[in-house]
Amino acid sequence: NAGVTQTPKFQVLKTGQSMTLQCAQDMNHNSMYWYRQDPGMGLRLIYYSASEGTTDKGEVPNGYNVSRLNKREFSLRLESAAPSQTSVYFCASSIPGTGSEVHQPQHFGDGTRLSIL
Amino acid sequence: AQSVTQPDIHITVSEGASLELRCNYSYGATPYLFWYVQSPGQGLQLLLKYFSGDTLVQGIKGFEAEFKRSQSSFNLRKPSVHWSDAAEYFCAVFLPTGNQFYFGTGTSLTVIP
Repeated sequence: NAGVTQTPKFQVLKTGQSMTLQCAQDMNHNSMYWYRQDPGMGLRLIYYSASEGTTDKGEVPNGYNVSRLNKREFSLRLESAAPSQTSVYFCASSIPGTGSEVHQPQHFGDGTRLSIL
Repeated sequence: AQSVTQPDIHITVSEGASLELRCNYSYGATPYLFWYVQSPGQGLQLLLKYFSGDTLVQGIKGFEAEFKRSQSSFNLRKPSVHWSDAAEYFCAVFLPTGNQFYFGTGTSLTVIP
């Protein structure tokens, strides 16, 4: 039972470098999400995708882009990394593709710990 | 405006003792309410959720939560804590107006033998 798989688990970047975080789920879920987790701030939504081919901004989208490559995969790209983007990034998924439950994450990956120097 | 508040940053309990983690929300109507647990180095796992109906909700791992409209609260409880319950716990709310989902800042639980 893989669930939600994120790669890489750890990464160190220099300011200005670019990087793509990968996420894949094998549960045939329609909705997928990217969150960042910072100390004392809980999790904040960066982007979400209600279905293949659609993406929407969350609470903190600036500096990020996403791609819903297919139903399984949802990638997060940092085009020009900044120290403020040092964080732990979580991908999540949920079944619904429509209705209010689109916005309710159910299954999470183990996270990508990203440091930007 | 803060939609969900977890007043306790850190709680320590003895193994076998009872546990209550507090969660308060600010919203005019009844939101959808959730509790998640995060073990060290892992992602979040959904413990339970409340949408409507019976205000006492049973979840996984022996946890339960009670929705109290008069207090705008959704506190998480467990009668007897096990060492494996040591983790970070997040309350979350979904606000149907605007389709917004917010996490609280978390409560870290330490269990001492």
